[in-house]
Amino acid sequence: AQRVTQPEKLLSVFKGAPVELKCNYSYSGSPELFWYVQYSRQRLQLLLRHISRESIKGFTADLNKGETSFHLKKPFAQEEDSAMYYCALGGGTGRRALTFGSGTRLQVQP
Amino acid sequence: NAGVTQTPKFRILKIGQSMTLQCTQDMNHNYMYWYRQDPGMGLKLIYYSVGAGITDKGEVPNGYNVSRSTTEDFPLRLELAAPSQTSVYFCASSATVNTEAFFGQGTRLTVV
Repeated sequence: AQRVTQPEKLLSVFKGAPVELKCNYSYSGSPELFWYVQYSRQRLQLLLRHISRESIKGFTADLNKGETSFHLKKPFAQEEDSAMYYCALGGGTGRRALTFGSGTRLQVQP
Repeated sequence: NAGVTQTPKFRILKIGQSMTLQCTQDMNHNYMYWYRQDPGMGLKLIYYSVGAGITDKGEVPNGYNVSRSTTEDFPLRLELAAPSQTSVYFCASSATVNTEAFFGQGTRLTVV
């Protein structure tokens, strides 16, 4: 069964500090992985996906198949990064919808 | 661009009442989804559709029904509201299962 685990409900850092939001997944095939973000009073939106290997707003995420992880990282946090972050696993055999983790709230303090 | 539009934004229901959450998208996406978000629990899939006339159950379908008569619309029906259905509901659409999903603004439903 597909499963996505985000172990931290809340991550609080100071502005300028490095950030790492953890995500582990359980899936037997080749995974498609995504990070979605929800800023205050805004819709949930795509931040990045592993297949594009982009850096969005300074965030990067590397797929580690050996550790089944897809952690989201940013070297220097900004206050505007404060939001709810969700890791998601794409569809696969027998499943045609995204599976979301429980989310991590990132608070960046001044 | 409108994207995905959900109505209403807020609703309070009494136990046993019924209602329909509306969802429409203007991106000609085949895939549409309904998720519910409970505090600290992430998003759980209620129902999804891969095209007009095709719907399928997700993880938590009990107490809900859907239909997909057109590509644009994917309404979610609650027949006999229960307090356990108090949640925030999100509709989303995507071109395929592994392309970007676009979300509505959510519906906050309280059943009392």
